[in-house]
Amino acid sequence: SQKIEQNSEALNIQEGKTATLTCNYTNYSPAYLQWYRQDPGRGPVFLLLIRENEKEKRKERLKVTFDTTLKQSLFHITASQPADSATYLCALGDTGRRALTFGSGTRLQVQP
Amino acid sequence: GAVVSQHPSRVICKSGTSVKIECRSLDFQATTMFWYRQFPKQSLMLMATSNEGSKATYEQGVEKDKFLINHASLTLSTLTVTSAHPEDSSFYICSARSAGETQYFGPGTRLLVL
Repeated sequence: SQKIEQNSEALNIQEGKTATLTCNYTNYSPAYLQWYRQDPGRGPVFLLLIRENEKEKRKERLKVTFDTTLKQSLFHITASQPADSATYLCALGDTGRRALTFGSGTRLQVQP
Repeated sequence: GAVVSQHPSRVICKSGTSVKIECRSLDFQATTMFWYRQFPKQSLMLMATSNEGSKATYEQGVEKDKFLINHASLTLSTLTVTSAHPEDSSFYICSARSAGETQYFGPGTRLLVL
């Protein structure tokens, strides 16, 4: 069955450092992958989308990579700030099924 | 960016009653809306996919007679939890998409069934 793995342990880093979050998947060939941010008690907020034929995508301090051979996506936040503290979810989608399949998320805590 | 609203944001009800949750896309027309449920410290679990004007498609294990979904227009979908029980207490989140792949999520509805 399809499986998406995100590190369930919280990631604690110092302000100013680069945070790197990992999303691995098995038994899946997604057409695209999305990253969302979720704050406690709130709905997810869309951050970035990367397609299967793209290696890397950037948006301001955010960078996403997508390796379909390794079946892995990395999500980087450079010059991290305490305001970046949240849970980050990866989600996979394909062209046939319009719904997304979500990972369980990784909590990021940026210490001032 | 695209905005999706949900109402109510929080609801407390007695066991056996029905609760309706509304999901609206405010500045775009949503051809498809999705309903998710999220338990504490867990991922979003898709409950159903709803296309405007047609019956919703439910995920395996989700009772369609218990979770009634109506997608009456391109900007409104409703989820009704019928005869709610304490185990239905959860965080319900809707999302909407138009032609592209990006889903825009509502702020969620916290349901507590006593």
